[in-house]
Amino acid sequence: EIVMTQSPATLSVSPGERATLYCRASESVTSSLAWYQHKPGQPPRLLIYGAFTRATGIPPRFSGSGSGTEFTLTISSLQSEDFAVYYCQQYNNWPPTWTFGQGTKVEI
Amino acid sequence: QLQLQESGPGLVKPSETLSLTCTVSGGSISSSDYYWGWVRQPPGKGLEWIGTIHYSGNTYYNPSLKSRVTISVDTSKNQFSLKLSSVTAADTAVYYCARHDFGLAAAPLDIWGQGTLVTVSA
Repeated sequence: EIVMTQSPATLSVSPGERATLYCRASESVTSSLAWYQHKPGQPPRLLIYGAFTRATGIPPRFSGSGSGTEFTLTISSLQSEDFAVYYCQQYNNWPPTWTFGQGTKVEI
Repeated sequence: QLQLQESGPGLVKPSETLSLTCTVSGGSISSSDYYWGWVRQPPGKGLEWIGTIHYSGNTYYNPSLKSRVTISVDTSKNQFSLKLSSVTAADTAVYYCARHDFGLAAAPLDIWGQGTLVTVSA
């Protein structure tokens, strides 16, 4: 079973600053990685898939990078609406399984 | 616009079976490119994938829950369902249904229901 580890657990930043979130896989997942934003009382929102492709409607301040076991989500200039918990998720294609990281909370 | 809506009891007794249904509206569940999944979030914890189904009936489960989970699909009603047996307090969570887009890399969950809280308590 592939384990996804996110760091840091909590990231304290100010509006306008850059935020960098990390996700590490216990073995290679090639580019089969997605990122989600989750706010209280709302469903998760898909941000990035395939490690670096922004989902429909996601602003360009969100960017993903990495492959294999090391991945990064960067928010170039934090807006007030970006304070949330962010999860990475890997996809293993056989048998199909999906595994989430434990999340990174981005707070003021 | 595709929408998903979870429904089912909000309270389940320990040792009983949790049953939820997800109704898909604004589109057909019978599309070869899409799979349909369940994800949960216990209070104060992170997201956990439970399982996924295709309209053809192919199902995939989280190995840690596999012995207790059954996911089924009813194409005539455009619904899919989750059953989780022998529940305990650890199964208390917000349960989400969502769509996997297999046309995208990593087959991500791109459309989600609002979620429903299920509490396991006597």
